[in-house]
Amino acid sequence: EAQVTQNPRYLITVTGKKLTVTCSQNMNHEYMSWYRQDPGLGLRQIYYSMNVEVTDKGDVPEGYKVSRKEKRNFPLILESPSPNQTSLYFCASSFSPRGPYEQYFGPGTRLTVT
Amino acid sequence: AQSVSQHNHHVILSEAASLELGCNYSYGGTVNLFWYVQYPGQHLQLLLKYFSGDPLVKGIKGFEAEFIKSKFSFNLRKPSVQWSDTAEYFCAVGGNNRLAFGKGNQVVVIP
Repeated sequence: EAQVTQNPRYLITVTGKKLTVTCSQNMNHEYMSWYRQDPGLGLRQIYYSMNVEVTDKGDVPEGYKVSRKEKRNFPLILESPSPNQTSLYFCASSFSPRGPYEQYFGPGTRLTVT
Repeated sequence: AQSVSQHNHHVILSEAASLELGCNYSYGGTVNLFWYVQYPGQHLQLLLKYFSGDPLVKGIKGFEAEFIKSKFSFNLRKPSVQWSDTAEYFCAVGGNNRLAFGKGNQVVVIP
């Protein structure tokens, strides 16, 4: 089954404790992206990757890091989480960012930073 | 960079009523337009998309959207909603290697 998986689905952590949210897709998609969803703000892009070893900042990259060492994986790293990073995070992938290619979304990771 | 504006963030309507959600975008290049739906507790799913051709596109579950280039709009419609259409709806515009989302419309359908 074609899908995007994320782990963990729920995470409660404390300020400053490094964490990684994993994202994996099995569709051989070139393009992957991370978004955060906050009430009233919709989805905002954090980082995206056009292909292996190619990443770029989205609209709200501060406080986040990403890497793309393999085509299927695109982990999101919070080196020193803060309470303002409490949010619902979605990973997505697409065949290509150009043209009418829809993005497929993972199930989401709800992060709470205390 | 592209941007998307959605109006009427909260919509409450009764079953069988018609639904129309507005979406206006700003982007100077060739656009690819999408509507996504997020049912309670679920991830986003594609409702429909437009990239060229007939400006009236039909999607899943009886939804349709009309692209009006002169108005930079891509409004979503459904003639008769059901309780199961209760969800959040997001308009998105693709371009410049990215997808920009609007803030969403929370739609509640009362049985």
